[in-house]
Amino acid sequence: KQEVTQIPAALSVPEGENLVLNCSFTDSAIYNLQWFRQDPGKGLTSLLLIQSSQREQTSGRLNASLDKSSGRSTLYIAASQPGDSATYLCAVRPVQGGSEKLVFGKGMKLTVNP
Amino acid sequence: DVKVTQSSRYLVKRTGEKVFLECVQDMDHENMFWYRQDPGLGLRLIYFSYDVKMKEKGDIPEGYSVSREKKERFSLILESASTNQTSMYLCASSPYSRGYTFGSGTRLTVV
Repeated sequence: KQEVTQIPAALSVPEGENLVLNCSFTDSAIYNLQWFRQDPGKGLTSLLLIQSSQREQTSGRLNASLDKSSGRSTLYIAASQPGDSATYLCAVRPVQGGSEKLVFGKGMKLTVNP
Repeated sequence: DVKVTQSSRYLVKRTGEKVFLECVQDMDHENMFWYRQDPGLGLRLIYFSYDVKMKEKGDIPEGYSVSREKKERFSLILESASTNQTSMYLCASSPYSRGYTFGSGTRLTVV
């Protein structure tokens, strides 16, 4: 059964730092991996989607990489800002079962201090 | 941009009431999903639908049912609301084999 882990559960950093958020998954047979952001009391906002054939995706200050063989993805945030404070979740769509369901990590709460 | 709209941001209902949560997407996505999110438990899948009138149980379907009569609309029904169903409910949609788009969530309180 696919499991997704995000460690640490929380991170607090000063403004301006470059950050690496980690996501690991137990089964490398995935169709894609998606990173989301969630602000308190709100829904999830999709940040980046990486298909299994891709190694990375970029959007603005965000860069996500995927290493299927090692079961890892990282989300890199350049020059962090207080507005980046949120919970970040990663999710994978497993090949096993052939369904469209995602398996989510429990998220990492990021606080960027001014 | 794809939009997923949940009809209510906040709802307060009484124990035993029948509750309807509505979700509408505007991009002709095949798949739609209902999750609940609770502190410490993460996101848990209640039901999903991969086509009109088609549905599959997720991880925690007990106490819930769903309806998908039209492609754009997916309704979650709490047959008899209970206090342990107080939660944040999130709807999502996706085209086949692509990423998810979530709605803004409904915070349901059952008193």
